[in-house]
Amino acid sequence: IAGITQAPTSQILAAGRRMTLRCTQDMRHNAMYWYRQDLGLGLRLIHYSNTAGTTGKGEVPDGYSVSRANTDDFPLTLASAVPSQTSVYFCASRELGQGNYGYTFGSGTRLTVV
Amino acid sequence: AQSVTQLDSQVPVFEEAPVELRCNYSSSVSVYLFWYVQYPNQGLQLLLKYLSGSTLVKGINGFEAEFNKSQTSFHLRKPSVHISDTAEYFCAVSDSAGGYQKVTFGTGTKLQVIP
Repeated sequence: IAGITQAPTSQILAAGRRMTLRCTQDMRHNAMYWYRQDLGLGLRLIHYSNTAGTTGKGEVPDGYSVSRANTDDFPLTLASAVPSQTSVYFCASRELGQGNYGYTFGSGTRLTVV
Repeated sequence: AQSVTQLDSQVPVFEEAPVELRCNYSSSVSVYLFWYVQYPNQGLQLLLKYLSGSTLVKGINGFEAEFNKSQTSFHLRKPSVHISDTAEYFCAVSDSAGGYQKVTFGTGTKLQVIP
């Protein structure tokens, strides 16, 4: 593979359940991001990580958590899903300190919370 | 704080006609500007970027954009569109403040190419 792999591609989840969205990159980028995309709102940053072992909050972090145990993986966890978390989730990465190149995005996870 | 405004949510255009997708930004510091394209059921792909230098930037698939600092704009253009250009286009701004390097996306413009 080359790029970012997200899993699952889609999921229907009962409210109150716990869910982890997986994201793996093979480009050795130091920075990784989770965005949610909602109609009319564009992309909003949930959490980010500038390097392995560090994470930070984005615009809409409530109800989500992340970890960055190594360079390649950046899972996003919904501890107790609610219907407002129905969205398309995109993982992205880029190499900081290299002329501010743009992101590489995964293909997304479509999550429906019922 | 930085922000991005994409003035048109949808732009219909006939095949082989020219198109301009508008983007205006605000930022208190030096900026980097990007256009991304999203095809149905796919992630975003980088179309082009402005980092510094020439204000006219050429990207993939025949697209180009012009950075206009006085008008705080970064409009995307293509002289002749194809059916395959039907997609959603996102403008984004990244400031050069260190550490987090916040990126803000616009709400997107859906380009519909009509045969």
